[in-house]
Amino acid sequence: AQKVTQAQTEISVVEKEDVTLDCVYETRDTTYYLFWYKQPPSGELVFLIRRNSFDEQNEISGRYSWNFQKSTSSFNFTITASQVVDSAVYFCALSPQGGSEKLVFGKGMKLTVNP
Amino acid sequence: EAQVTQNPRYLITVTGKKLTVTCSQNMNHEYMSWYRQDPGLGLRQIYYSMNVEVTDKGDVPEGYKVSRKEKRNFPLILESPSPNQTSLYFCASSPLAGGREEQYFGPGTRLTVT
Repeated sequence: AQKVTQAQTEISVVEKEDVTLDCVYETRDTTYYLFWYKQPPSGELVFLIRRNSFDEQNEISGRYSWNFQKSTSSFNFTITASQVVDSAVYFCALSPQGGSEKLVFGKGMKLTVNP
Repeated sequence: EAQVTQNPRYLITVTGKKLTVTCSQNMNHEYMSWYRQDPGLGLRQIYYSMNVEVTDKGDVPEGYKVSRKEKRNFPLILESPSPNQTSLYFCASSPLAGGREEQYFGPGTRLTVT
């Protein structure tokens, strides 16, 4: 069975602080895909990143970076120099290869960035 | 513009009154899915469809029906809504790609059943 755990349910930081959102996953598949989505207060789901299980390179996109460690089954997301606009609920998700294209979501983590 | 649309965006209804939430995508995607989002539970899959006339249950299908008569449309039907179906619903679509493509989500439908 697949499972995604986001242990932190809510984090509050002050603008310009760095913040890391943890994601731990469980799967027996050797090939799988990991995703992060952002849900701002307006409610829509915004795709942030996709990573496949064979690519353990870290990725940086502006203030966002992702650390994929297969050895610990983690796919953590760091926001550097956080801004108020980063306030949102963030979801980590897992998709096993093939089959139903199903996305298994974590329960989400609410980030509040205060000015 | 490539998008997934849902209607209505907000709906308040009463127990037992049948309703349909429409979902349409203009990206020619084979795969479509419905999720519900509840506080503390994240998103859970209700039903999905791999292609026209092919649908299957997700994790929480009880109380819902779907149909896929055309590739672009995937309506969610609640034949007899109950208060425990009060939730935020998302439709999503993606190409069939073995799970490696991101899913494109609609804007969400907030349903309240009283």
